Amino acid sequence: RKEVEQDPGPFNVPEGATVAFNCTYSNSASQSFFWYRQDCRKEPKLLMSVYSSGNEDGRFTAQLNRASQYISLLIRDSKLSDSATYLCVVNRGGTSYGKLTFGQGTILTVHP
Amino acid sequence: GAGVSQSPSNKVTEKGKDVELRCDPISGHTALYWYRQRLGQGLEFLIYFQGNSAPDKSGLPSDRFSAERTGESVSTLTIQRTQQEDSAVYLCASSLGAGAIGDNYGYTFGSGTRLTVV
Repeated sequence: RKEVEQDPGPFNVPEGATVAFNCTYSNSASQSFFWYRQDCRKEPKLLMSVYSSGNEDGRFTAQLNRASQYISLLIRDSKLSDSATYLCVVNRGGTSYGKLTFGQGTILTVHP
Repeated sequence: GAGVSQSPSNKVTEKGKDVELRCDPISGHTALYWYRQRLGQGLEFLIYFQGNSAPDKSGLPSDRFSAERTGESVSTLTIQRTQQEDSAVYLCASSLGAGAIGDNYGYTFGSGTRLTVV
């Protein structure tokens, strides 16, 4: 089983739609959680951290469920510019707590 | 510098040759990471440097791969006797480093070196 698992998609949605991505992680000792965004042939960029209480940044909402080892990202009012691959990222904690483990990514395409 | 700088941006090499990839992290970032991303695949961890601690080399795929870092600055990733399966984008990232467990800090990635072994 992979440490971080995501539905690879692709998700194809119209502009203005709401879309949700899910991610599960296997190591219960994981301490920090993130969503990254990667555009085609570009490096990943931090989208947002995920906090235990859930957090929102504009149209983006992230949720964490430690009991279920589950992370989600909700995008409201999708824009064409949201088209990208979304990476679920987990810091495993412990002695390697600086090292992040990346999911395979979920591909999102927003169409007119 | 303002961001993580990697060089070269593109490298084409013949099978069997050695290559050296360079990463210049953000000033003040104590942690430095190398990842590999094959076409259409996810990020694969290679190696992690944190300050003066022994590096975590657990992701290096074979003894043909090695990496060095000078203090808290430049790092070089060396691939000896390159093979076609080494073709990938090699991404370097840096971060402020290990804070308290559970700290929410992210990486900043460089734009990568696209390595093609022919």
